[in-house]
Amino acid sequence: GQNIDQPTEMTATEGAIVQINCTYQTSGFNGLFWYQQHAGEAPTFLSYNVLDGLEEKGRFSSFLSRSKGYSYLLLKELQMKDSASYLCAVRGEGATNKLIFGTGTLLAVQP
Amino acid sequence: ETGVTQTPRHLVMGMTNKKSLKCEQHLGHNAMYWYKQSAKKPLELMFVYNFKEQTENNSVPSRFSPECPNSSHLFLHLHTLQPEDSALYLCASSQAGLGYGYTFGSGTRLTVV
Repeated sequence: GQNIDQPTEMTATEGAIVQINCTYQTSGFNGLFWYQQHAGEAPTFLSYNVLDGLEEKGRFSSFLSRSKGYSYLLLKELQMKDSASYLCAVRGEGATNKLIFGTGTLLAVQP
Repeated sequence: ETGVTQTPRHLVMGMTNKKSLKCEQHLGHNAMYWYKQSAKKPLELMFVYNFKEQTENNSVPSRFSPECPNSSHLFLHLHTLQPEDSALYLCASSQAGLGYGYTFGSGTRLTVV
């Protein structure tokens, strides 16, 4: 079967650092994506990892360990506007380009 | 207009009604997708179209009928829905092939009464 796990909710303080974890068990692996979704809006692309290691993009970084089936999204210098759901998605085996999503982590940033 | 546009944004329909959701992308992508998003659940893949051909039907009930007349437009025709079909329906597009992420529309919030 295919399974992607991430925490349901997290709370953090403005200016702090937060790490959102994602573990996956899928039939094959062809890349992992992180998306941000504000309430009532479209999910927007944040990052893509296909090789092990850390990808940094401004305040956001994403890490992947394929051997452990594990990824995390790191958000630095948190701002109130970072309050949103963060979706982890995996592209599985085969030539298909479909993504399998986790339930999403609802992050609340407090003053 | 750029990106992925979905209409309507909100839809309330009775169980005996027939309605259609529309998705349009102006990104030159050649793959389009329908996803269902329910509270506390992962996004559920419904249908995948590559170069206008349906390549995935994720065991979706026949009361949902997709249509892809060209690479820029995708429809989801709805009939005799159930209250449990109430959800946010998201359309996305991408380039076909590995390594490409999706661009999502803002979704249609569907309520079946």
